[in-house]
This record gives sequence, C-alpha cells and structure tokens, in this order.
Amino acid sequence: GQNIDQPTEMTATEGAIVQINCTYQTSGFNGLFWYQQHAGEAPTFLSYNVLDGLEEKGRFSSFLSRSKGYSYLLLKELQMKDSASYLCAASSNYQLIWGAGTKLIIKP
Amino acid sequence: NAGVTQTPKFRILKIGQSMTLQCAQDMNHNYMYWYRQDPGMGLKLIYYSVGAGITDKGEVPNGYNVSRSTTEDFPLRLELAAPSQTSVYFCASRDPDSSLPNSGNTIYFGEGSWLTVV
Repeated sequence: GQNIDQPTEMTATEGAIVQINCTYQTSGFNGLFWYQQHAGEAPTFLSYNVLDGLEEKGRFSSFLSRSKGYSYLLLKELQMKDSASYLCAASSNYQLIWGAGTKLIIKP
Repeated sequence: NAGVTQTPKFRILKIGQSMTLQCAQDMNHNYMYWYRQDPGMGLKLIYYSVGAGITDKGEVPNGYNVSRSTTEDFPLRLELAAPSQTSVYFCASRDPDSSLPNSGNTIYFGEGSWLTVV
C-alpha cells in the first residue's frame, strides 16, 4: 500500500532548531515535497527533493533518503512566525500522497 | 500572474442544495487536483485530472463530480450537499517533469474555499 507518516505535533523554543521527520511508502516514487500551512491559509511550497541528500534554503533545509523512505525538514533559528503546520507529500507518478501534517508550536 | 484562482472563497449551503466550486489556472498545467481539508487534518484527495478530458477519483469522491473540458478549468460540483461536506476545499495544479532532477515542480494551490452546509 501507499502511506506517509509524520508526527502530529511538535513544540520548540524560539531561536532553537527543530527537525520534522517524514517516512513514506509508495510505488513509483518521484520526489518528496514539504509545504508550510498557516491556520486558515493555503499550503505554500518549501522544498522538493528528488535526489538523496540535504538541500539548504536559508533557515530551512530538507533531507531525503530514497533507500530508507525517509525525509526530514530542519528549521533553524526558529521564529514565532514559523508556528504552522508542515506537510510532507510524496510524488508517485501522477499522484501526491500527503501526510496529515505536523503542527509546530513555537514558545518564546 | 494569477496562478490558481478559486471561487467562491466562502459559501453557506443548505442541506440538499447543489453548487459548483470554480477553479482556473493560467500556467498551462496538465495536472489538477481537488482536495478537502477538515479542521486539524491533512489534505484528502477528492478528484484529480491529468489533462483535458481526463478525470479520476481520489480517496473521497462520494458526493462530488468534476469535469475538465479545458486545460485551464477544473470545476468541482457538489450535488445534494450534506453537513459532512462542511470543509475547506483547495484546488491545486502542477506540471511534473521527471526528466529534470530537482526541477522544483511546485504544486500551486488556490487560496481555498470555505464551505459550510447547514
């Protein structure tokens, strides 16, 4: 079957680092998306990994291991505005398999 | 650069009424999707399309219908609205090209349509 798992909720402190994990099982895997979604808004694109390894974009980095079916999103120097849900999605042929999202709570 | 446009943004329906959520994209994307998202939950795929004239069911198609007569438009029809269809609906589009590693083939989302059935 196809499924994708990520933690439901995480809490971190402003200025700290947090890693949000995502594991997936799909057929015909093409790549792995990470999206950010603030409450009441549409998801916005953060990253798309096709190849194994780490991709860094400013404070956000995303890692992929295709052999392990594993990805993580790393957020550094956390700011209060990073409080949001983070969705991972596996691209499998024409389909997108979405995780339920990880709600990240940032405390001062 | 409009991207993905959804209308209406908010709507209240009575049980048994019908309506159409409109979705249009101006990026010439072949793939389009309709999702619903219930409070605190992830995205559930209702229907998708890989090109004009082609549609297929997702995880939760019951109570909905779609059409794709043009590349640009992908309307979602609710027939006989039920309270269980109260949700936020997102339309999305993409144009995947797996021949380009790390092409960043982004999924573009509309702003969402908040639907309440009472």
